[in-house]
Amino acid sequence: AQSVTQLDSHVSVSEGTPVLLRCNYSSSYSPSLFWYVQHPNKGLQLLLKYTSAATLVKGINGFEAEFKKSETSFHLTKPSAHMSDAAEYFCVVIYYNQGGKLIFGQGTELSVKP
Amino acid sequence: GAGVSQSPSNKVTEKGKDVELRCDPISGHTALYWYRQSLGQGLEFLIYFQGNSAPDKSGLPSDRFSAERTGGSVSTLTIQRTQQEDSAVYLCASSYRGRDGYTFGSGTRLTVV
Repeated sequence: AQSVTQLDSHVSVSEGTPVLLRCNYSSSYSPSLFWYVQHPNKGLQLLLKYTSAATLVKGINGFEAEFKKSETSFHLTKPSAHMSDAAEYFCVVIYYNQGGKLIFGQGTELSVKP
Repeated sequence: GAGVSQSPSNKVTEKGKDVELRCDPISGHTALYWYRQSLGQGLEFLIYFQGNSAPDKSGLPSDRFSAERTGGSVSTLTIQRTQQEDSAVYLCASSYRGRDGYTFGSGTRLTVV
């Protein structure tokens, strides 16, 4: 079955330094890809989405992700971390040849040190 | 409404009782998911409704779990004879077109004592 893999279960950065959260997906025909964020005791919020338009996608709160088909990756980045970015981040894929079901990665917990 | 609404937000129930969780999706959204999230765990798929198609129930963990969606709008998730391992946050999400992304509700925190 097709899947999505978040390569790090936990990432820790210092405030003001870059953030990189890695996500790889199974090769498939034109998937849709998303990043969601979940702050403690809060619901899931859509950060950004890739839907076969521009490969570099800009989201909310300064986050970006680049779709690289050759590497089957959709890594999430931010140039400068803020304390408020500390949260759980989920990479999510829709494979349309699997009935359009949402497939979640395992999640990456981002910690930001002062 | 403006977002996906779930009720109740919190539910404490005794082991063996039945519970019903409700999800009001965004008006016009044809796709609806139920997931659950246990403490320290990722998201576990439960069931998927898409328009008038037969729901994908492949994620329901046992026959104690069932869900329905009336009139293509409101959905209810029913858990019969609750067990302690059912304790989790149950999340609902809806979308008009899946590729536009899904909007999640705030969830129902279920505690079985």
